[in-house]
Amino acid sequence: KAGVTQTPRYLIKTRGQQVTLSCSPISGHRSVSWYQQTPGQGLQFLFEYFSETQRNKGNFPGRFSGRQFSNSRSEMNVSTLELGDSALYLCASSLQGDHEQYFGPGTRLTVT
Amino acid sequence: GEDVEQSLFLSVREGDSSVINCTYTDSSSTYLYWYKQEPGAGLQLLTYIFSNMDMKQDQRLTVLLNKKDKHLSLRIADTQTGDSAIYFCAESTRQNNNDMRFGAGTRLTVKP
Repeated sequence: KAGVTQTPRYLIKTRGQQVTLSCSPISGHRSVSWYQQTPGQGLQFLFEYFSETQRNKGNFPGRFSGRQFSNSRSEMNVSTLELGDSALYLCASSLQGDHEQYFGPGTRLTVT
Repeated sequence: GEDVEQSLFLSVREGDSSVINCTYTDSSSTYLYWYKQEPGAGLQLLTYIFSNMDMKQDQRLTVLLNKKDKHLSLRIADTQTGDSAIYFCAESTRQNNNDMRFGAGTRLTVKP
């Protein structure tokens, strides 16, 4: 069974640009959650999607958005990038948003 | 807000036992988790415990929960160099774990 995949693995952008990250969950999983990991703030929850609907959202500005497709694949978008958005963005999938979350390898975003 | 705290570093010799400690403040925590993160990788769910349990053993891993003191520990028996990683403690209060809160992570170094 393939694990959670994220693309791209590494990304370098400049301030003011926008970026789209992609996550493919484990086959059959319908819940996808996104997290931001930084040395200073640790792991912080961004949002969760289930059946193409955003079910919950963390405390991030509106520049951070996402969506989920009918095949459960999810994308997250960050507009007007800031230096502080440099982080490892992790995606996790689970069957229904229950406790067993499986994480992808992450996308490391560097904003210069 | 609610906090999850862990010591940042632990160093042990190969073959010894490692004990990684975690404290949390939310008395309504229902699920408590241990994740492992190796360099360049996402988070791997190692084990979890329900709040109505006080111990769970899974091969070399033993989780102890003291709900009264809100203290969680992970013991790794016969620690190997391959166990070197960052270990995250996390808790959630609902079955939908999108409200999961993570500690800052404990970097375990295993010396040969």
